[in-house]
Amino acid sequence: DAGVIQSPRHEVTEMGQEVTLRCKPISGHNSLFWYRQTMMRGLELLIYFNNNVPIDDSGMPEDRFSAKMPNASFSTLKIQPSEPRDSAVYFCASSLGAGTGELFFGEGSRLTVL
Amino acid sequence: DAKTTQPPSMDCAEGRAANLPCNHSTISGNEYVYWYRQIHSQGPQYIIHGLKNNETNEMASLIITEDRKSSTLILPHATLRDTAVYYCIVRVGSGNTGKLIFGQGTTLQVKP
Repeated sequence: DAGVIQSPRHEVTEMGQEVTLRCKPISGHNSLFWYRQTMMRGLELLIYFNNNVPIDDSGMPEDRFSAKMPNASFSTLKIQPSEPRDSAVYFCASSLGAGTGELFFGEGSRLTVL
Repeated sequence: DAKTTQPPSMDCAEGRAANLPCNHSTISGNEYVYWYRQIHSQGPQYIIHGLKNNETNEMASLIITEDRKSSTLILPHATLRDTAVYYCIVRVGSGNTGKLIFGQGTTLQVKP
């Protein structure tokens, strides 16, 4: 059974460019989470969805970040314009429901903004 | 925002039990304790969770004190592959609004 699938695994871009990260949750899971990890700040929850609806986006750093979940099998995290401080590993996770804390994480997307 | 306190690092000899402590003195009555681990460059992996009773699964055991202010994750026979960062998390909120806030965790180094 496939786990959470993220793409791209690695992205290198220049400051000012738009970045789109993609996530396919585990089939049947109805909650999806986006986390960001840096050495300085550790793992930070950016936003999470329940049944495709954003529940809590208080962790989204600023208006340059946006996330969507158009259907149960796909989510995107977009950064526009990107800045060097956005360099991080971005993880997507899904769970059977927001009521459970058992999250299944993808392998992450490593973003480098030059 | 983290509601837990863990030692930054610990060592354990291969084959011995690894006991990872966690303090969560402000835990509320309906909040669960979760443990995750993150092996280098991989996504975090769920290990176990509990409310007030001790729990055991194929990976580990979770011992929660009677007052629920602290807990210990036990890896009964640590192997080199258990070297990872271990996160103790108290789930903030409940029901569909609950979320997991990761702290800094404990880096466990299993040595041969």
